[in-house]
Amino acid sequence: EAGVAQSPRYKIIEKRQSVAFWCNPISGHATLYWYQQILGQGPKLLIQFQNNGVVDDSQLPKDRFSAERLKGVDSTLKIQPAKLEDSAVYLCASSLGADLEAFFGQGTRLTVV
Amino acid sequence: QKEVEQNSGPLSVPEGAIASLNCTYSDRGSQSFFWYRQYSGKSPELIMFIYSNGDKEDGRFTAQLNKASQYVSLLIRDSQPSDSATYLCAVTSGTYKYIFGTGTRLKVLA
Repeated sequence: EAGVAQSPRYKIIEKRQSVAFWCNPISGHATLYWYQQILGQGPKLLIQFQNNGVVDDSQLPKDRFSAERLKGVDSTLKIQPAKLEDSAVYLCASSLGADLEAFFGQGTRLTVV
Repeated sequence: QKEVEQNSGPLSVPEGAIASLNCTYSDRGSQSFFWYRQYSGKSPELIMFIYSNGDKEDGRFTAQLNKASQYVSLLIRDSQPSDSATYLCAVTSGTYKYIFGTGTRLKVLA
């Protein structure tokens, strides 16, 4: 069974530029999560989807971050404009259901200079 | 108060000893509890999950859940240097948010 796929693996951009990350969850997984992990910290939940609806986006900085889940499968996370403090690893995870174990992709390491 | 709290460590144990990692959570409506291992530069990897009060064993790992006291722990028996990593506790809240603690760094000394 294929795991969670993310791209790109690495991205370096200048502040104020925009960037987008893509995630393809494990087939059949209804719940999809985007996390931000800053070095030395635990993953911080940015947004959680159940199929193509949003369960929680309370920690998503909505003035610059946006996310969508196309047809309840793939998802994209966008940052526009990026700030220096957005430098982090962006992790996508998926699970069969909201109360079940989640599996992670390899992550995208973003560096904003 | 943070939703999920862990001691950041590092926790150092000698090879062959038992490592005990603890996690507390604030939402009494929390339903599911997970332990992940994260090596430096890698993504979190699921080790165990537990839903009911009591102990759950899987090989060298035992998860313990006490909902009344709102804590969950992970015991690693016969610790090996390869167990050196950051261990993340995750909890699904009453509203099904999947929340992580900050992680505990474990060092197993050969």
